[in-house]
Amino acid sequence: EVQLLESGGDLVQPGGSLRLSCAASGFTFSNYALSWVRQAPGKGLEWVSVMSGSGKVAHYADSVRGRFVISRDDSTNTLYLHMNTLTAEDTALYYCARPLDLCGSSTCSTSPFDVWGQGTMVTVSS
Amino acid sequence: SYELTQPPSLSVSPGQTARITCSGDALPKRFSSWYQQRPGQAPVLVIYRDTERPSGIPERFSGSPSGTTVTLTISGVQAEDEADYYCQSSDNNDIVLFGGGTKLTVL
Repeated sequence: EVQLLESGGDLVQPGGSLRLSCAASGFTFSNYALSWVRQAPGKGLEWVSVMSGSGKVAHYADSVRGRFVISRDDSTNTLYLHMNTLTAEDTALYYCARPLDLCGSSTCSTSPFDVWGQGTMVTVSS
Repeated sequence: SYELTQPPSLSVSPGQTARITCSGDALPKRFSSWYQQRPGQAPVLVIYRDTERPSGIPERFSGSPSGTTVTLTISGVQAEDEADYYCQSSDNNDIVLFGGGTKLTVL
């Protein structure tokens, strides 16, 4: 069974840092680009970042560029999101998502997300 | 990057047809997808590449593109279809975009 399992969410103070993890199973991890998508309480979905299957290409939403870093470890089938300089606006449920298609070395932005994790909650508050 | 615009809410009676629109300037050049999200659950893909339906999604869900607007149609709405619906596409810079979401209420 294809699965994504996020972890690492926590309560953190403004200006703090946090690292989220997404453990993948049931598919060949290195073949797929993977994204982070977040949802603030009572709000809509917001795409955050993507990393290609090769790990060589990454893109970020304007709202997090320069503060967040996406990475992946193919030896453990884990995707990470390193979050720095956190603000209250980063408070959200963070999902890991896999696209439907295999896109080689690209980030697969045109492919829909057919696999989602259950999310991990990040709360930024003093 | 550009935006995808959806109506915030839509109400329909059981058995009626719900049509949820999503507008964006680049939609004629980029595929769109639709997701259903029930309260407390992760999103579920219901339509992709404008008109394709994943396996397991009921036939009453369909998608149709027309110029700068794409439409998710739910024919014969059932109570279980009450949920938030999001359209999704991408821009020329490989940035993924979501619409603001439409809350579908089944009266």
